[in-house]
Amino acid sequence: GIQVEQSPPDLILQEGANSTLRCNFSDSVNNLQWFHQNPWGQLINLFYIPSGTKQNGRLSATTVATERYSLLYISSSQTTDSGVYFCAVFRGSTLGRLYFGRGTQLTVWP
Amino acid sequence: DVKVTQSSRYLVKRTGEKVFLECVQDMDHENMFWYRQDPGLGLRLIYFSYDVKMKEKGDIPEGYSVSREKKERFSLILESASTNQTSMYLCASGNRGRTFGSGTRLTVV
Repeated sequence: GIQVEQSPPDLILQEGANSTLRCNFSDSVNNLQWFHQNPWGQLINLFYIPSGTKQNGRLSATTVATERYSLLYISSSQTTDSGVYFCAVFRGSTLGRLYFGRGTQLTVWP
Repeated sequence: DVKVTQSSRYLVKRTGEKVFLECVQDMDHENMFWYRQDPGLGLRLIYFSYDVKMKEKGDIPEGYSVSREKKERFSLILESASTNQTSMYLCASGNRGRTFGSGTRLTVV
């Protein structure tokens, strides 16, 4: 399988701070997604980003597929950003299992 | 937006019971997946399906079975629930990216 490593494992911020989360993967992939798991356990899709850069409000993501990493940027963090951020990758066209990283636990204090 | 609906948020069952977890998606996706999530072990794939009546084992299929009689519905079945199946169960759907349901926290007592 594909190894997915996320860093840092834990991150504690004050509201308003910026942060960068990193995802490294061990092999070429066709797809990469960033998810946020909220305190109730739901996995919410943030970005589908096999390559390039995307932005959605205060969040943006960049994937450099040739160098096998992706970055998630959170700007002006808010307490509602707290939770676990997962990176997941797979290869194959439509069928293929997702390989998840262990996640980054983000805590934002007011 | 794609919607993936899991029938229950919380479920408590007794050891030995047969348990059905239901998942419905509304975007005509061929692919559907069942995961369980446990502290320290991350998300693990139980079963997936790439078409009606088709199923493939994931990484931890033992003690589980699945049913896909209609394209929009993928059911996970615990034939005889055991305490080590207490977990968070997550269903997902998608042909490229994946969309997850809100999860079912199952407790087996």
